[in-house]
Amino acid sequence: EAGVTQSPTHLIKTRGQQATLRCSPISGHTSVYWYQQALGLGLQFLLWYDEGEERNRGNFPPRFSGRQFPNYSSELNVNALELEDSALYLCASSLSRRVAFFGQGTRLTVV
Amino acid sequence: GQQVMQIPQYQHVQEGEDFTTYCNSSTTLSNIQWYKQRPGGHPVFLIQLVKSGEVKKQKRLTFQFGEAKKNSSLHITATQTTDVGTYFCAGLAGNQFYFGTGTSLTVIP
Repeated sequence: EAGVTQSPTHLIKTRGQQATLRCSPISGHTSVYWYQQALGLGLQFLLWYDEGEERNRGNFPPRFSGRQFPNYSSELNVNALELEDSALYLCASSLSRRVAFFGQGTRLTVV
Repeated sequence: GQQVMQIPQYQHVQEGEDFTTYCNSSTTLSNIQWYKQRPGGHPVFLIQLVKSGEVKKQKRLTFQFGEAKKNSSLHITATQTTDVGTYFCAGLAGNQFYFGTGTSLTVIP
């Protein structure tokens, strides 16, 4: 059974551009969580989607947004990129809020 | 709002020494999970505790869930260099996971 997959693995963008990160959850999982992990720091909660709806969002500006598709995959969009947005973005999926399984992450670098 | 704090933030130990990280929640948790993130990797699920006062063991790792379901601990006996990484707890409150701040463990050979 495939795990959580994220794409791309690495992404380099220029300040002011937009970035789109994608996540495919484990088959059957309906919840997707997004976290930002800046270098050497902990997991900062970004967004939680369940059954296609945004259930909660963390303390991030509106330029961080996303959506969940009918097949439960998800996109995270970051507009007007800033240098401080450089981080590892992790996606996790779960079923009925049980164990969260993480993807390998997308390393976003803003230059 | 809901917070899950972990202490210590960093811990350096000599190989063979024991290590403990503590997780404290501001509210009662439905369950608590522990994850390990190796340097350069992603968090990997270790274990889930559900019952008040529950204790579980995985080889040299011992996990405890407090009686009030507000705190938890992870204890590693006789650390090895393979134990290096950041250990996160994650508490389920309401319908959401709240991750702790993590404890970064360095094991000195």
